[in-house]
Amino acid sequence: DTAVSQTPKYLVTQMGNDKSIKCEQNLGHDTMYWYKQDSKKFLKIMFSYNNKELIINETVPNRFSPKSPDKAHLNLHINSLELGDSAVYFCASSHVGPTFRDTQYFGPGTRLTVL
Amino acid sequence: SQQGEEDPQALSIQEGENATMNCSYKTSINNLQWYRQNSGRGLVHLILIRSNEREKHSGRLRVTLDTSKKSSSLLITASRAADTASYFCATDATGYSTLTFGKGTMLLVSP
Repeated sequence: DTAVSQTPKYLVTQMGNDKSIKCEQNLGHDTMYWYKQDSKKFLKIMFSYNNKELIINETVPNRFSPKSPDKAHLNLHINSLELGDSAVYFCASSHVGPTFRDTQYFGPGTRLTVL
Repeated sequence: SQQGEEDPQALSIQEGENATMNCSYKTSINNLQWYRQNSGRGLVHLILIRSNEREKHSGRLRVTLDTSKKSSSLLITASRAADTASYFCATDATGYSTLTFGKGTMLLVSP
């Protein structure tokens, strides 16, 4: 059984389009994340949701809007795509304690290419 | 600013040799975690070491943590070609609300 799944795996689209990436976890975790990994492999946190509530919103353009319909799902919608949005986007989930962050489980990633 | 910094950036060894990767960080931590990323895949958790631990083992992996030097090392013994991947350290730092990942070490193990 897949613990953290993302769709689609690949996404190729034109500049200016709007696209969504979906993420689901079946681990019963209360916290989910979106990361962006650039061509240099640097992994940067974008958003974090705990029990459907946004708890982290790093410096990300407001063209990016996360939506968490329930604890098991965290989707990422991107408006007006730009060339610089090309990257691999990873969803992750974990249990988070009051003073610690536990192991994160990552999805397989979505490779977004903006032409 | 970025918390973890791995060293070296890339490492190439022969099968059977040991591989050592280092991670340095800047602030106090609750725990430090190591992850592996195979090409084209998501990150996979390898091992977590808490701030009050100095050494931890898991199979062929050995992790050390020196909080006085703010550094950790990951040792892979008797490496195999299948160990070829990028390895990232991630810190759960006091005062931060999420893990912070380093840039990773690319390990190439040749048969």
